[in-house]
Amino acid sequence: DGGITQSPKYLFRKEGQNVTLSCEQNLNHDAMYWYRQDPGQGLRLIYYSQIVNDFQKGDIAEGYSVSREKKESFPLTVTSAQKNPTAFYLCASSIPGGHLGPQHFGDGTRLSIL
Amino acid sequence: AQSVTQPDIHITVSEGASLELRCNYSYGATPYLFWYVQSPGQGLQLLLKYFSGDTLVQGIKGFEAEFKRSQSSFNLRKPSVHWSDAAEYFCAVALSGGYNKLIFGAGTRLAVHP
Repeated sequence: DGGITQSPKYLFRKEGQNVTLSCEQNLNHDAMYWYRQDPGQGLRLIYYSQIVNDFQKGDIAEGYSVSREKKESFPLTVTSAQKNPTAFYLCASSIPGGHLGPQHFGDGTRLSIL
Repeated sequence: AQSVTQPDIHITVSEGASLELRCNYSYGATPYLFWYVQSPGQGLQLLLKYFSGDTLVQGIKGFEAEFKRSQSSFNLRKPSVHWSDAAEYFCAVALSGGYNKLIFGAGTRLAVHP
């Protein structure tokens, strides 16, 4: 079955360390997204990519970086510049089109500070 | 600025009772509207969406939603709630402009009493 796979499910970061969250999809979707979810705040967009080798900042991109070298993969790096990284991170994908929105989500990665 | 408001942070209903979750949006043009459901520790699953046409839309799991332009609302309803419906529900609006960007409400957590 097609879907989005996020790994790991739980991740711990030490002070000053960069960590990378994996997101892989086999839905053949061109567009992919990273969201951050904090309690009581819904989802906020970190980065999105409409096509391979292209990506744009979302609303809260500071302290994060991404790459899109392959259609299936959109890894997110949480850098040491992100001072409050503890959150639930969700990856999503969709076919392009302004009215369709992300329709497929992974099961998330929960990141905590050691 | 575009925004989505879910006035109820937490709702408790008895199993078998009817349910209505409220959603109001602020957006100048005709919006594309979505409802998602999230079980604890999981990703989001699309319940239903409204693009145009009939203002009453049917979704999965017996849910429906009604778009009311005059009230800028897109409330989610279910005639008879099941214990398995306990989850968090998110309303979202898609912005136009050639790329997919969803604005999410803060969510409504639903508890179901047996």
